[in-house]
Amino acid sequence: QKEVEQNSGPLSVPEGAIASLNCTYSDRGSQSFFWYRQYSGKSPELIMSIYSNGDKEDGRFTAQLNKASQYVSLLIRDSQPSDSATYLCAVKTIQGAQKLVFGQGTRLTINP
Amino acid sequence: EAQVTQNPRYLITVTGKKLTVTCSQNMNHEYMSWYRQDPGLGLRQIYYSMNVEVTDKGDVPEGYKVSRKEKRNFPLILESPSPNQTSLYFCASSLSAGSPLHFGNGTRLTVT
Repeated sequence: QKEVEQNSGPLSVPEGAIASLNCTYSDRGSQSFFWYRQYSGKSPELIMSIYSNGDKEDGRFTAQLNKASQYVSLLIRDSQPSDSATYLCAVKTIQGAQKLVFGQGTRLTINP
Repeated sequence: EAQVTQNPRYLITVTGKKLTVTCSQNMNHEYMSWYRQDPGLGLRQIYYSMNVEVTDKGDVPEGYKVSRKEKRNFPLILESPSPNQTSLYFCASSLSAGSPLHFGNGTRLTVT
């Protein structure tokens, strides 16, 4: 089982709709979770971090964490074409050397 | 401006010709790391450094070397590059292991 899993997509969403991106992780003790956005050919940039169960909102973005079910999700409301990118989920491991483990990313396309 | 700077952005070389990709950060971060990104495989950690003179292998260290003589610099060395090292490379830094990572702009390496 991969440490962090994401559906690779592509996920296609019409402009103005809600895009929902999901991520599951295997290390039950993980405490820190991050979402990065990566445009094609560019470097990943941090858009959200979440540390406790529940929802965390930042503008059009909402991160949701459920530690019991070991999943974290990212919702993008009022999706814009500029949101088209690959979204990477990253989880801080607590077993062994602490580091961020990345999922393979979900490619999101917003259709005008 | 707080940033991670890596050079060069693009590099084409031949098998066996030693090369170095430089990485420098101006945020006084303790932790630095190198990743390679390949289609379908996501971001994979090559080497990381918890502090000056402290480096350790990541998930895919074969064929690479690193050094951390100063806090701000973390060069990646390929002593004898091979075509399977053709990839997009990212340097990243953070305050500490497991903290949100700041990425450089990437180096696209082609080994023929």
